This record gives sequence, structure tokens and C-alpha cells, in this order.
Amino acid sequence: GAGVSQSPSNKVTEKGKDVELRCDPISGHTALYWYRQSLGQGLEFLIYFQGNSAPDKSGLPSDRFSAERTGGSVSTLTIQRTQQEDSAVYLCASSLARRKQFFGPGTRLTVL
Amino acid sequence: QQPVQSPQAVILREGEDAVINCSSSKALYSVHWYRQKHGEAPVFLMILLKGGEQKGHDKISASFNEKKQQSSLYLTASQLSYSGTYFCGTEGGNDMRFGAGTRLTVKP
Repeated sequence: GAGVSQSPSNKVTEKGKDVELRCDPISGHTALYWYRQSLGQGLEFLIYFQGNSAPDKSGLPSDRFSAERTGGSVSTLTIQRTQQEDSAVYLCASSLARRKQFFGPGTRLTVL
Repeated sequence: QQPVQSPQAVILREGEDAVINCSSSKALYSVHWYRQKHGEAPVFLMILLKGGEQKGHDKISASFNEKKQQSSLYLTASQLSYSGTYFCGTEGGNDMRFGAGTRLTVKP
């Protein structure tokens, strides 16, 4: 498959636990975005990676959230000490710079 | 920084037209439009670059007024398949900010 993939598709965790969400972008795409979408809400920007540049972390809601992108490809979004308000669908998208974004299917995170 | 979309929701009958507006408080490099169906990921519709262009395919088109920092999405002769939530995304720098979405429902 040539699309963006994310894993896991669903994650249920207990409050206070750490979680890692993975995104595999389309090969060759230099830009990678993470978004959060709460039920019935819009897309909340979290973080943006472009090539080897420093990521734009301006959308991360707290210092419990972090992300890295290794080798300019796979990205991992980590949420530490999860809270119930972190429950949402986390979407990853990749693109060539300033081009249309291709979204992955998302990871549905539920914090109990 | 988040663009403002209007209306929040619209209900149409098949064959009717709709306009969705998107405005930003900052200078824009480009505007993207996406459609998301329930339970699915957003799908790209079109991108408009600064320069006041207008684009379209089939019966969906859009305009971008760079000076007013506004974009509009036009859906003509709507079809049932047009139902979904439409998001505009704006690029003013290195990031992308999406509006809250416009829920479009097309009824037979």
C-alpha cells in the first residue's frame, strides 16, 4: 500500500499511563503532520516536521506531548501520563512541501 | 490562528447549491479544502495558492482572495455523495491550521 499508515488503530489505556502512536508516511514525503480530532470537532494541529528542519511544536497542548521523526520517515507521537481529556482520534498526514496532505486512518485513543 | 468557517452546518436537497466560506486573520500562502465523511480520514479536494486563483473540478470549485485572506468553496448541483464535513486549511507559514468544519448534509 502506498498510503499513510498508522498504528495502532485503537488504543485503550488507563489514566496516568504513557502511550506511543506511530505514523508511517508515504515514501518520499518530506512533510509530516500530527492532528488531534475530538468527537465531532475539527482538526487540531499538534506538530509539523519538514525535512531536516526543526519541527514546529507550537500546537502541542502540554509538555506531556512529544513527537519525533526518525530518518525523515516514521514518526512517533508520545503522550505521557495520559488524561481523560486526551481521548480523541489522532491523525497523521504527509505531503510534499506545501502540497496536498494525505491522511492516515487515525488512531482512536481512549483514556479510562 | 485558526481560520473561521461559515456556516457551521447546512442542509441541502439534491441539486441545490451551497457556498462555504473560510477567513483568516493572517496573511496566507495557500488554502486547502478537504472533505471528511463520518468515521473516515479527511480527503483532499483542492489547494489554492496566493495570487487570487480559482480552481475547480466537476461541480466543486473554490476561490481565494489573498487580499481579504478569504476563500470560498462552491458546490453546485449537489449530490448525495457530497455529504460530509468540509474543512479549510490555511498555510501562513510553516504550519497548517484547519477551521472547525462545515457539516454538509444532502438529502434526496
